[in-house]
Amino acid sequence: DGGITQSPKYLFRKEGQNVTLSCEQNLNHDAMYWYRQDPGQGLRLIYYSQIVNDFQKGDIAEGYSVSREKKESFPLTVTSAQKNPTAFYLCASSRGLLRGGSNTGELFFGEGSRLTVL
Amino acid sequence: GNSVTQMEGPVTLSEEAFLTINCTYTATGYPSLFWYVQYPGEGLQLLLKATKADDKGSNKGFEATYRKETTSFHLEKGSVQVSDSAVYFCALKGYSTLTFGKGTMLLVSP
Repeated sequence: DGGITQSPKYLFRKEGQNVTLSCEQNLNHDAMYWYRQDPGQGLRLIYYSQIVNDFQKGDIAEGYSVSREKKESFPLTVTSAQKNPTAFYLCASSRGLLRGGSNTGELFFGEGSRLTVL
Repeated sequence: GNSVTQMEGPVTLSEEAFLTINCTYTATGYPSLFWYVQYPGEGLQLLLKATKADDKGSNKGFEATYRKETTSFHLEKGSVQVSDSAVYFCALKGYSTLTFGKGTMLLVSP
């Protein structure tokens, strides 16, 4: 079945450590996104990528990094510079570019990764 | 910039009650509007959408009408079920991304 796979589902990290969250999609979507979800704050955009080897900062990119070496993959690294990394992280993808008329605006989400810093 | 405001939850209802979750937005022009739903422990999934003024989106008994005069997109359902318990997010499509509201938790009891 086509979809988005995030791993790991749960992750624990010590302060000062970097950690990488995996996101893989087999929907053949061009655009991919990372959102952070905190209780009472909804979803906030971290990074997004419209094509391979290109990505843009979202609203809360500080302390995070991404890469897009393959169309199917968009890993997120939470660095030690992120001051409050404990959160639920959601990866999503969309068909076509959001800027283009072909995109309906529908995002397809993975099941999320919950990161806890000890 | 774009923003979405939703009513705060949780909204607690008994089964078969009528549901309304309010959503208003601020944006340039007339963006497409969406409702997403998140069931416990899962990611979000699209519930319904509307792309222009006066459009009504509908799915699984839920409805929402795009009202440009009040910049609103309220979610309604005539008779909720326990299985509707989830968090509901209103969103609008900006130039390159979606902007989400903070979400409203719905709890339905038997």
